[in-house]
Amino acid sequence: DTAVSQTPKYLVTQMGNDKSIKCEQNLGHDTMYWYKQDSKKFLKIMFSYNNKELIINETVPNRFSPKSPDKAHLNLHINSLELGDSAVYFCASSHDLRTSGFTDTQYFGPGTRLTVL
Amino acid sequence: GESVGLHLPTLSVQEGDNSIINCAYSNSASDYFIWYKQESGKGPQFIIDIRSNMDKRQGQRVTVLLNKTVKHLSLQIAATQPGDSAVYFCAEKVRGSQGNLIFGKGTKLSVKP
Repeated sequence: DTAVSQTPKYLVTQMGNDKSIKCEQNLGHDTMYWYKQDSKKFLKIMFSYNNKELIINETVPNRFSPKSPDKAHLNLHINSLELGDSAVYFCASSHDLRTSGFTDTQYFGPGTRLTVL
Repeated sequence: GESVGLHLPTLSVQEGDNSIINCAYSNSASDYFIWYKQESGKGPQFIIDIRSNMDKRQGQRVTVLLNKTVKHLSLQIAATQPGDSAVYFCAEKVRGSQGNLIFGKGTKLSVKP
């Protein structure tokens, strides 16, 4: 299947722990994103990477550190997890907007539901 | 801050009827708009998009209307089906931004059989 995939789908952990969420896309896209969706379904961008280079960092605490080993992967590492980090995290990808024109569809992964106890 | 919002948080329609989901945006510099559909337990799925130089775009059973004068966007779904039940988000991209999509709050569409 061609898609954006994330692992794990569910993640339950204790406060203070460090955890990672992995994302992979096989769509040949150059740009990848992380979004956070809160309990009220509000979606907000956290990070954007283009060809392993950080493009967008939207006032996210530095406990969150994205890592892009190659342009098909963008992992999200979270240190010292807090209760407020509980949410669904979505990875997305698109073609490089700077070369494909000013519009390009972002394709989303299935999400990772993080619950911090 | 957030500049995209929806008038109706929930919408209930009868199967076969047409649905209209509305969205207001406040940033006049936005030049690209997208509608996404999110089913329970899944990620947002692209439905249709429209550039700011257009006022209407049609897809299969869906039509997006853009009124730049009042900064309003709507999604019309014809002959709504139970499979259309989901949360619908509008999103905007501000001209010159690096692909940063700003999402609205979402409208939950429930289709009654």
